[in-house]
Order: sequence, then structure tokens, then C-alpha cells
Amino acid sequence: QKEVEQDPGPLSVPEGAIVSLNCTYSNSAFQYFMWYRQYSRKGPELLMYTYSSGNKEDGRFTAQVDKSSKYISLFIRDSQPSDSATYLCAMSVSNYKLTFGKGTLLTVNP
Amino acid sequence: EAGVTQSPTHLIKTRGQQATLRCSPISGHTSVYWYQQALGLGLQFLLWYDEGEERNRGNFPPRFSGRQFPNYSSELNVNALELEDSALYLCASSYVDNQETQYFGPGTRLLVL
Repeated sequence: QKEVEQDPGPLSVPEGAIVSLNCTYSNSAFQYFMWYRQYSRKGPELLMYTYSSGNKEDGRFTAQVDKSSKYISLFIRDSQPSDSATYLCAMSVSNYKLTFGKGTLLTVNP
Repeated sequence: EAGVTQSPTHLIKTRGQQATLRCSPISGHTSVYWYQQALGLGLQFLLWYDEGEERNRGNFPPRFSGRQFPNYSSELNVNALELEDSALYLCASSYVDNQETQYFGPGTRLLVL
């Protein structure tokens, strides 16, 4: 079983839709949870950072962590064409090494 | 504030050659990380440098090596290139006491022919 599983998509939604992106993981020692956005041919950009369980909101983005289920989510409200990118989840056991999911390709259609 | 920079943007090599990739971290960051993003494999941790020392490495062979300079910039060297080394190589940086928050550069795309 892979440490981090992420549905690769692709996911295609109309502009204005609510998008839900998810990752599951197997390592219960993970404490830090991140979401990165990666545009085509660019490096990943840190979007959200959460420690332990709970929710975190930043503008149109909400990150949720459920450690009991080993499940994290990123919600994007009022999605825009500019949100079209690959979204990567990443996790860490309070150290240097980030373990990434393979990414979900999202397309928001005008 | 300038972000992480990497050079070159693209690199084409042939099998058996050596490749050198460079990274400059965000000002104030002392930790530099290297990741490989190969098609279909996601980002894989390669190396971590802090204060000029290699602190840890991922599950890669010794022909992947590097160093960190006194100004905290870093170099990744890949010797005896193989076709499967073709990938996007990403550098990230962070403060040493906030290693979970890593900021990435745009990457160097290495193609091995």
C-alpha cells in the first residue's frame, strides 16, 4: 500500500462549481498536511498548510484533515478557470521529508 | 521577496554523461531540498542540505549527489546518466526550524537521450 494515495483525475468542472480534492494515507505518524498547486511546466506552489486534524480556510480554499480516517481534503469554492492546475497533497512527520501524492489534474471550464 | 531560482531551465544530455543543476534558495532560508518529479511517479525526495551539510537522502543511488555552498545555494550532480533519469528536478527551500513549509523553484527539466 502506498503511503499517500491521490486520485489522478482528470477532474473537469464548470466555472463556479465547488471542487473537492482528496488524499488518503497509511502512515499514522503524519502530522503536517499540505496542498500544493502546480501549473503546467512550473514548480509546485504552497497553497495550504495544516497541522494535525481540523479545518483551515483561506479565501476560496478550505483544507480539512481527518486523522482518524487518514483522509484529507481540499475544497475550492466558486472555482475559476485560473484554478486549472494539478493539485498535490503532501504530508510530513514533523521533519524534512515531504511525501507527496501523485496529483489530481483539475480543469475549470469557462 | 525573490523566490527559489533554478538553472538551467532545460538540460539535454546523453547516457553516461554528467548533469549539474543549480538552485538558489529564498533569502534567509538555510535548508535546501531536491526532489525528482518523473512522469507517472510523483515527487520523490532526493536530498536535504542545511548549513553546508547533507542531512539526509532519499532512496536514490550514490550517483545522485550534491553540495551546499556558504551562501546556501546548492548544486545537484547526477553522474553516469541513465534514460530513466529524465525528469523535472525541483529544488525547495525552508527555514531549518520550519521544514514542513517548503517553497519550490520552477525546476530544471532534464532529458537524457
